[in-house]
Amino acid sequence: QSVLTQPPSASGTPGQRVTISCSGSSSNIGSNTVNWYQQLPGTAPKLLMYSNNQRPSGVPDRFSGSRSGTSASLAISGLQSEDEADYYCAAWDDSLNGPVFGGGTKLTVL
Amino acid sequence: EVQLVQSGGGLVKPGGSLRLSCAASGFTFSDVWMSWVRQAPGKGLEWVGRIKSKTDGGTTDYAAPVKGRFIISRDDSKNTLYLQMNSLKSEDTAVYYCTARGSFDYWGQGTRVTVSS
Repeated sequence: QSVLTQPPSASGTPGQRVTISCSGSSSNIGSNTVNWYQQLPGTAPKLLMYSNNQRPSGVPDRFSGSRSGTSASLAISGLQSEDEADYYCAAWDDSLNGPVFGGGTKLTVL
Repeated sequence: EVQLVQSGGGLVKPGGSLRLSCAASGFTFSDVWMSWVRQAPGKGLEWVGRIKSKTDGGTTDYAAPVKGRFIISRDDSKNTLYLQMNSLKSEDTAVYYCTARGSFDYWGQGTRVTVSS
């Protein structure tokens, strides 16, 4: 049972826009920034978004992030086949005194 | 280019010990907070613990499931991070990743640890 809640799966067709949600509480998302990670099959995770909506160098602007209250979301526009991966949200948790992750969302490009 | 190259891992019996290493290059290792994150088979990501830079005190923090059993250390002269795992349990079976910086900006390739009799 993960502290942050994500839908286990999401899907879309090439070119579509897909949104992945991440729900938390006042001790994590409600008071700290959210990061997103992309894990391609069989590889290590990669930082995709930090501080809610900042893209590291090299991440396409098709990816965007937002946070509102105790929830956050990752949006992928112009979906491509190479976006098929697992996506994880994370945030520091003040009660647990450590970072917590969502359970991950498996994105399928149909 | 930032690189985190991990070594160690393998099969160990319950109650046993294992040490993982993570050799860093491409950035000033001594300035960076480092963490370990693990992923059990077919599961999501779980933070294991972190070590701050010596400038920030060099202190460590651990997740509750591993506190008192795992020890994170660093050798800035060798640009290497370590994870000493003691009193291993079956539930510690996972791929372990070393990560750099507070947002887990960079990740190692992962190393598999299997705890089984």
